Amino acid sequence: ETGVTQSPTHLIKTRGQQVTLRCSSQSGHNTVSWYQQALGQGPQFIFQYYREEENGRGNFPPRFSGLQFPNYSSELNVNALELDDSALYLCASSLEASWETQYFGPGTRLLVL
Amino acid sequence: DQQVKQNSPSLSVQEGRISILNCDYTNSMFDYFLWYKKYPAEGPTFLISISSIKDKNEDGRFTVFLNKSAKHLSLHIVPSQPGDSAVYFCAAAKAAGNKLTFGGGTRVLVKP
Repeated sequence: ETGVTQSPTHLIKTRGQQVTLRCSSQSGHNTVSWYQQALGQGPQFIFQYYREEENGRGNFPPRFSGLQFPNYSSELNVNALELDDSALYLCASSLEASWETQYFGPGTRLLVL
Repeated sequence: DQQVKQNSPSLSVQEGRISILNCDYTNSMFDYFLWYKKYPAEGPTFLISISSIKDKNEDGRFTVFLNKSAKHLSLHIVPSQPGDSAVYFCAAAKAAGNKLTFGGGTRVLVKP
């Protein structure tokens, strides 16, 4: 049984660029949630995908978008990067959107210069 | 608008003693509460949860207490061990929702 993996682990972008972050969910999990964790703060919910459909969205602008693939892996895309987008991006997979089965990946640290 | 708050950013406790972490929330629609532990360079891991129909849930050394009227929950760790040193997040959700709202975290240091 593999855990939740995310790639890349770190990356640096400049303001205005676009970025794609990837997440492979735990085997058997059909739900992926994405969170943004700014330095010194708790994770903030971006959106959730369940069986390839968006299943809820937090208070983030449309330039944050996502996809879930038939194998339940997922991508987070951020367009027109801003300095405030610098954060740790966490994805979490779960079975049927259950919180107790939700496992987080180690995150991707994004720095926007 | 911070709906879930952990007012103590850090806590230091001696090994073997009790650690008490506090969390306050403002949204009365929250029905489900969870605690997560996070080590550096790892994602948060689920620790324990409680639903609003209960006031206490226990799992080994970890106990969560919920006071709905005060909109307050706490996590007790007893006895504390050096391996418990981590950042702890409380999180809340509406029963019918899918969004977890996290507090800002409390960094716990357990001294041997």
